[in-house]
Amino acid sequence: QVQLQESGPGLVKPSQTLSLTCTVSGGSISSAGYYWSWIRQPAGKGPEWIGRIYNSGSANYNPSLKSRVTISVDTSRNQFSLRLTSVTAADTAVYFCAGDNWVKAAFDIWGRGTMVTVAS
Amino acid sequence: EVVLTQSPGTLSLSPGERATLSCRASQSVSNSNLVWYQQKPGQAPRLLIYGASNRATGIPDRFTGSGSGTDFTLTISRLESEDFAVYYCQQYGISAWTFGQGTKVEFK
Repeated sequence: QVQLQESGPGLVKPSQTLSLTCTVSGGSISSAGYYWSWIRQPAGKGPEWIGRIYNSGSANYNPSLKSRVTISVDTSRNQFSLRLTSVTAADTAVYFCAGDNWVKAAFDIWGRGTMVTVAS
Repeated sequence: EVVLTQSPGTLSLSPGERATLSCRASQSVSNSNLVWYQQKPGQAPRLLIYGASNRATGIPDRFTGSGSGTDFTLTISRLESEDFAVYYCQQYGISAWTFGQGTKVEFK
C-alpha cells in the first residue's frame, strides 16, 4: 500500500522560499499510472491544486501560482519536492502531497499534510 | 478557470436522513473529470466518487454521485454518524484541477 509523507519547515519568513518534500513508501514513484501532486488548504477553505509532476520530470502548474512554483522529482530517493518562492501570509496553509491516478482522474492517495505558516 | 460552486454551505441533518449535496460548474465539465471527496477535521480528503458516479474502493453504496454538464450531485441515502464531515467536489479543467468551497454536513 503506497503511503505519502510530507516533510519540511513549519515556519517560513515572508519573501523567502517554502520548500517541502514528499516521500513515497510502499511503492515506486516511477510506477505507471500516477502523477504526483501538491495541494494546499488554508484554514477553513477548500483545497487548491498547486501542480504535479510525472516520474519523467514533466510538470504542470496551476496558472495562478506558476510564476512562483517549481516541482521536482528524485526517483532514486522516491521523493518529489515543492518550491514556492516569494511567500506571503496568503501562502499559509496545510500542504498535502497526493497521488493523481490517471485512470480515475482523481487523487486517491494522500499524505497527512503539513502545516506551513508564513510569518516573521 | 472552471469555478465550482457547492450548495448548501452547511446541511444540518440527523442520522438516518438523506443528504443531497450540489456542485455547479461555471462551464461544462466532462463527467470523467468530476470527483467528490470527504474530509474530516485534521485529516486529508478521502476519495469517494470519481468519474461523476463511480464509487472508490471501500466506499459504501449509500454514497451516490450523479449529474452531467454543469450540475452534479452527491447523495448520501441514510446518514451514519461517520458521514458527518465536509464534502468537496473537484474537476480537471484545461490547465488545472479546481475544487469547490465545500459543504459541511453537521448534526442537527
